[in-house]
Amino acid sequence: KQEVTQIPAALSVPEGENLVLNCSFTDSAIYNLQWFRQDPGKGLTSLLLIQSSQREQTSGRLNASLDKSSGRSTLYIAASQPGDSATYLCAVRGGSEKLVFGKGTKLTVNP
Amino acid sequence: EAGVAQSPRYKIIEKRQSVAFWCNPISGHATLYWYQQILGQGPKLLIQFQNNGVVDDSQLPKDRFSAERLKGVDSTLKIQPAKLEDSAVYLCASSLGASGNNEQFFGPGTRLTVL
Repeated sequence: KQEVTQIPAALSVPEGENLVLNCSFTDSAIYNLQWFRQDPGKGLTSLLLIQSSQREQTSGRLNASLDKSSGRSTLYIAASQPGDSATYLCAVRGGSEKLVFGKGTKLTVNP
Repeated sequence: EAGVAQSPRYKIIEKRQSVAFWCNPISGHATLYWYQQILGQGPKLLIQFQNNGVVDDSQLPKDRFSAERLKGVDSTLKIQPAKLEDSAVYLCASSLGASGNNEQFFGPGTRLTVL
C-alpha cells in the first residue's frame, strides 16, 4: 500500500528566503508525482506534475525534482513571498492509478 | 476554459440528516473523482467514474455514501445518514481520461460540518 509522507508539517520563513519542501513515498512504481497548493477554504491548484520518466520540472520560481529509486521528491521555492503562504500537498499516482496524497506542509512566509 | 464547479460551497447539518453535493467537471473530461479531505489530512479518494461507470469505489462507505454520474457529465455525492466523522471538505476532480499520465483538476470543494 502506497504511503506518502511530507516533512516538515509546518514551516515559517522570512520573505525572500529560498526553501525546500520534502515528500517521500514507499512504492517506487509510480506513473507520476504532482505538487499542489491549497489555500484556506479553497480547492487544490496543481503546481507541477512530474512524469515517472522525468527528473524535474520547473515553473517560474518553483522547481520540483523526482528520484523514483529512493522514493523522494522535493519542491524548491526561490525568493519566497508572502503570497506563497499556503499548504503544499504532494501526491503520487501508482499502479492502481489512484492519487495518494501526503498530509501537506503548511508554509507561512512572513513579510 | 471553465474549471470544475461544485455546489454548495458550505453545508451545516445535524447528525442523521442527509446531504447531497453536486459537481460539474471540465467539459470533455471523461473521468471524475470524489475525494474526502478531513482537517489536517490529505484528500482520500472515495469514488472514481469513467464516463458514467464506476472504476473504483473501494474506499466509499457504502452503507451511508452513494454517488452517481448520470449521462457521464455531472455527478452527485450523497450521505445518508450523516455522522459527526463525516465533517470534511468534499473535493471533486476531473481528468481527460483515467490513464496515469492524465492530470487531475480540482474544484473548490464543499465544506461539510455535521453537528
